[in-house]
Amino acid sequence: AQKITQTQPGMFVQEKEAVTLDCTYDTSDQSYGLFWYKQPSSGEMIFLIYQGSYDEQNATEGRYSLNFQKARKSANLVISASQLGDSAMYFCAMREGKGTGGFKTIFGAGTRLFVKA
Amino acid sequence: DAGVIQSPRHEVTEMGQEVTLRCKPISGHDYLFWYRQTMMRGLELLIYFNNNVPIDDSGMPEDRFSAKMPNASFSTLKIQPSEPRDSAVYFCASSNQTRAETQYFGPGTRLLVL
Repeated sequence: AQKITQTQPGMFVQEKEAVTLDCTYDTSDQSYGLFWYKQPSSGEMIFLIYQGSYDEQNATEGRYSLNFQKARKSANLVISASQLGDSAMYFCAMREGKGTGGFKTIFGAGTRLFVKA
Repeated sequence: DAGVIQSPRHEVTEMGQEVTLRCKPISGHDYLFWYRQTMMRGLELLIYFNNNVPIDDSGMPEDRFSAKMPNASFSTLKIQPSEPRDSAVYFCASSNQTRAETQYFGPGTRLLVL
């Protein structure tokens, strides 16, 4: 069965430093997608970054990059130059493939990031 | 463009009452997802639709829950009868075929069943 594991319930980082949020996954599918979402205290879910299982290069979106290590089944999120506004809950998620018809998505338990001034 | 719209934003009801949550996806999106978020179980996919047709409802907890999508711009999630354990935040999200990797979430409906 598909599974997403985020082992860090909480993380602290100093403002302007980089931080890595861990995510490991388990799937038997060859085609799948990995995502990261941010949930601030206001509650909305904000899409950050996506990595397809066949993408050879790591995805990047501004200050966010996804360190994709397929053999290790890990998809860690790296946030560079942390800002106070980055304080939030971060969720790793996986969409299973099943060709063009599969969009079932499972989420990890989340990591709460605290950025210190 | 307007994002995903959900209503109501907050709902307080008594056990046994019927609750209907509403969602308007982003125009042009052909996938719609309903999620539930609780402290105990995290974020769970309940059901998703493609072109108004339910594709996977394996996450719907029990028969008290039902979801419909009568047209491309409207979906409902109904709980009848509601129970205190249904208290959660319910999110609706949508995406389109050409950029299916990105799901855009609505603001959520915070449901409290007393």
